[in-house]
Amino acid sequence: NAGVTQTPKFQVLKTGQSMTLQCAQDMNHNSMYWYRQDPGMGLRLIYYSASEGTTDKGEVPNGYNVSRLNKREFSLRLESAAPSQTSVYFCASSERFSGANVLTFGAGSRLTVL
Amino acid sequence: KNEVEQSPQNLTAQEGEFITINCSYSVGISALHWLQQHPGGGIVSLFMLSSGKKKHGRLIATINIQEKHSSLHITASHPRDSAVYICAVYSGNQFYFGTGTSLTVIP
Repeated sequence: NAGVTQTPKFQVLKTGQSMTLQCAQDMNHNSMYWYRQDPGMGLRLIYYSASEGTTDKGEVPNGYNVSRLNKREFSLRLESAAPSQTSVYFCASSERFSGANVLTFGAGSRLTVL
Repeated sequence: KNEVEQSPQNLTAQEGEFITINCSYSVGISALHWLQQHPGGGIVSLFMLSSGKKKHGRLIATINIQEKHSSLHITASHPRDSAVYICAVYSGNQFYFGTGTSLTVIP
């Protein structure tokens, strides 16, 4: 089925370890996003990519880096994980159709940093 | 300042009740989305609307562009409707999200 695939679904890290969350979409969307979701705070934008080759910081970019590898793939890297990065991470993609932007989410990645 | 405000934050209803969740926004938008997230689950899009009203099964979404307000209604609520409902709007080049309404429907 078409959609957004993100991996891994679950990950436990120790403080200071690094990891990369992978995201791929097969809907030919131009825009891709990484969000984190924390209790009581809703979805917060970490980074986004409006098109292949471009990335921009969102609301909470500190401690993260991203790569828009091609139109399909947008990865999120934690270089030195901290307990404050314990969260559920969602990748999403978007494209403008008929005057409005459709939005599709991946299934989420639950990250725990000890 | 939150661009998107939802109310109520939490809602408990008896099975069969009519439910309304409200969303107000402060930015100019091209479309508003209603999203659903079951506990521990992913986020799925229920509606995308830019004017008027849309209906899908027991769910109805309305939007008033002039008043910058949208409502999500659930008729004949069922325990499987228990989830967090999130309002989102697209403005400029990004999406803005409400903090969600947690709905529990009791049998």
